[in-house]
Amino acid sequence: KQEVTQIPAALSVPEGENLVLNCSFTDSAIYNLQWFRQDPGKGLTSLLLIQSSQREQTSGRLNASLDKSSGRSTLYIAASQPGDSATYLCAVRGPGQNFVFGPGTRLSVLP
Amino acid sequence: DTAVSQTPKYLVTQMGNDKSIKCEQNLGHDTMYWYKQDSKKFLKIMFSYNNKELIINETVPNRFSPKSPDKAHLNLHINSLELGDSAVYFCASSHWGGENTEAFFGQGTRLTVV
Repeated sequence: KQEVTQIPAALSVPEGENLVLNCSFTDSAIYNLQWFRQDPGKGLTSLLLIQSSQREQTSGRLNASLDKSSGRSTLYIAASQPGDSATYLCAVRGPGQNFVFGPGTRLSVLP
Repeated sequence: DTAVSQTPKYLVTQMGNDKSIKCEQNLGHDTMYWYKQDSKKFLKIMFSYNNKELIINETVPNRFSPKSPDKAHLNLHINSLELGDSAVYFCASSHWGGENTEAFFGQGTRLTVV
């Protein structure tokens, strides 16, 4: 059974810092990995999708990498801003066809 | 133009009542899901439908019954609501299949049972 963990659980940084969020999964037989952002009381916004055959994806200040064999993904946020404050979730999709989520990393970027 | 929309956004009801949450997607996807986010913010799959057929049915009480009248709609009906059903319920959709299957989520329905 696929299990997804995320480290750290919470992170507080001053504005302008570069930061890394980590996601680990136990079963490497995945189709893809997706990073989401969730603002308090809101839904999930898709940030990046990395297909299992890809190593990384970039969107603006965000860069996500995937090492399928070791069961790891990282989300790199460059030059963080207060507007980046949110909970970041990773989810993997495998042959079971549903998306298995990690518990999330709660990020606070201080002005 | 909302891709995945849920109604209602908020639902407050008494124990023992029956309620429904509706979900619609306009992305042309063939697979839809219901997820539950508990008080610890953990998202867990409840049900998944592909082309109106139930594919995933996790360990969920029989009081929860999903229905998919067509590929674009997936509703969730809950009978005899209990306090422990209080949570945020998210609808999602995607294409069925392999690598390039991005999931899109609705804004959630916050259910409070009193």
